[in-house]
Amino acid sequence: GEDVEQSLFLSVREGDSSVINCTYTDSSSTYLYWYKQEPGAGLQLLTYIFSNMDMKQDQRLTVLLNKKDKHLSLRIADTQTGDSAIYFCAEGSGGSYIPTFGRGTSLIVHP
Amino acid sequence: ETGVTQSPTHLIKTRGQQVTLRCSSQSGHNTVSWYQQALGQGPQFIFQYYREEENGRGNFPPRFSGLQFPNYSSELNVNALELDDSALYLCASSPTRGEGYEQYFGPGTRLTVT
Repeated sequence: GEDVEQSLFLSVREGDSSVINCTYTDSSSTYLYWYKQEPGAGLQLLTYIFSNMDMKQDQRLTVLLNKKDKHLSLRIADTQTGDSAIYFCAEGSGGSYIPTFGRGTSLIVHP
Repeated sequence: ETGVTQSPTHLIKTRGQQVTLRCSSQSGHNTVSWYQQALGQGPQFIFQYYREEENGRGNFPPRFSGLQFPNYSSELNVNALELDDSALYLCASSPTRGEGYEQYFGPGTRLTVT
């Protein structure tokens, strides 16, 4: 199976919270990342969390990590139409921390 | 401060041909990584260059090769193009070898192989 799995689509109403979920298989993962990709653009690192943490908050973004279940989530508070994009979960381990990406979750925000 | 740039933006090639893609890393960054992103997929790591030496390679055949220059810019070369090579090719630079969380991505080169 895939190393990093995400649901493919999420649709939310503007102003609501969005929660994007991810599961990974590598128990030696050291860093877990969330990237955003807008149409025609490269990837933008939104946030990352060390595997010895269980939560990280950065303005509207909250990352939760359940290391036992190898489950990562990204919560976006007060979702705006500008948040519409593809969100990639990724994990990095070993000395290089090269991220292994999931297939991405397409977030659609409608008025 | 200039970000990561890539050229060309789009490219169409025929099966069997060779292609060279270029990347200029962000100022002060000595490490460049290349990724292939097929349609509907996440990026797949191709290889990484640190101070002109290959510093790690993903599961890609030898017809994918690269170079890094003294100014830390980089090229990705693909020989004997196949239809499955059609993808968005992303370059990412970082200030330190292996520090994945500090990778800054360029906008990518869209390669179409017909």
